[in-house]
Amino acid sequence: DAGVIQSPRHEVTEMGQEVTLRCKPISGHNSLFWYRQTMMRGLELLIYFNNNVPIDDSGMPEDRFSAKMPNASFSTLKIQPSEPRDSAVYFCASGAGGANEQFFGPGTRLTVL
Amino acid sequence: KNEVEQSPQNLTAQEGEFITINCSYSVGISALHWLQQHPGGGIVSLFMLSSGKKKHGRLIATINIQEKHSSLHITASHPRDSAVYICAVPLKGKLTFGTGTRLQVTL
Repeated sequence: DAGVIQSPRHEVTEMGQEVTLRCKPISGHNSLFWYRQTMMRGLELLIYFNNNVPIDDSGMPEDRFSAKMPNASFSTLKIQPSEPRDSAVYFCASGAGGANEQFFGPGTRLTVL
Repeated sequence: KNEVEQSPQNLTAQEGEFITINCSYSVGISALHWLQQHPGGGIVSLFMLSSGKKKHGRLIATINIQEKHSSLHITASHPRDSAVYICAVPLKGKLTFGTGTRLQVTL
């Protein structure tokens, strides 16, 4: 298996633009997690899905952020409109048993100018 | 107070030294994770353990459930071990992370 796949790996955009991050979890995993990592706050959980259903989105910073999981093999995290403070590395992780085993993707480094 | 605390925050060691990184948490858990984040940014899961000890190569992780404490040990450290080591525990179904320990191993 190729592991968790994220795209793009790097994204540079201007303030106000829409940004879409993509994730393909490991086949057979039923949990998917979106994390954000910054120097100031470290790793933070944004949202997680179980069997394609959002379970907890309390970490989503505000309405500009939205996440979807239309099927078991694909998820998106969208920021609209983007702001410079959204600059961070966004990780997707998938797991087979809730929070008890997770495999991380390589991350997307987002820079909002 | 953070629910997951790590120490030290930064650690510099010479090649060959034995290294210990500590993690304490404040609530009962079913398992604890140790993650490694390379300088390039990738995150790798090292261990998930719920009791006792696990060993993988030069890495050893221990956990004491009663004391709510875990340690990650690296024997015969090497410069390639330089990374950030992160402890994480599942709380309410989601992982909560420590702030990480930045390890630098020099020649």
